[in-house]
Amino acid sequence: QKEVEQDPGPLSVPEGAIVSLNCTYSNSAFQYFMWYRQYSRKGPELLMYTYSSGNKEDGRFTAQVDKSSKYISLFIRDSQPSDSATYLCAMINLIQGAQKLVFGQGTRLTINP
Amino acid sequence: NAGVTQTPKFRVLKTGQSMTLLCAQDMNHEYMYWYRQDPGMGLRLIHYSVGEGTTAKGEVPDGYNVSRLKKQNFLLGLESAAPSQTSVYFCASSYLYEQYFGPGTRLTVT
Repeated sequence: QKEVEQDPGPLSVPEGAIVSLNCTYSNSAFQYFMWYRQYSRKGPELLMYTYSSGNKEDGRFTAQVDKSSKYISLFIRDSQPSDSATYLCAMINLIQGAQKLVFGQGTRLTINP
Repeated sequence: NAGVTQTPKFRVLKTGQSMTLLCAQDMNHEYMYWYRQDPGMGLRLIHYSVGEGTTAKGEVPDGYNVSRLKKQNFLLGLESAAPSQTSVYFCASSYLYEQYFGPGTRLTVT
């Protein structure tokens, strides 16, 4: 079983819709939870990260962590065609080494105009 | 400020050939990483470095070697390429938790 599971999609929604992207994980030692966005044929870029449980909002993006359920989500409000990309969740276990990220498989998202 | 750059962008190798991928960063980051990305597998850590002169194995280190002789550079070597090493390779660097990625190298081994 992979430490981090993410539905690969693809996910296709109309412009303006609310998008929900999710990951589950099995290692309760994960403490930092991140979302990366990757455009086609580009490197991943960090969207946002949260420490422990709770919500974090940045413009149209909201990251949510539920450590009791080992479940994290990224919500995109008022989705735009420019949001079309692959979204990767990633987690850090500080016990193993501060900088070792474990990634989900990525969800490919398309926003249709 | 170029961030993280990778050389080359594309490469085709025959089985058994060797090559070196170069990663350079101009952000004075201590930490550097090499990942490979394959369809359905996400990003997997090959090797990483916590500072000049240090390297450590990641999740999938077999068949690869690395060196960090200068703080700004991190080299990934394939001594004898195999078709299973066909992939997109990404380098990243970080100060703390935010990793900055390069544009990637597409490698095909025939």
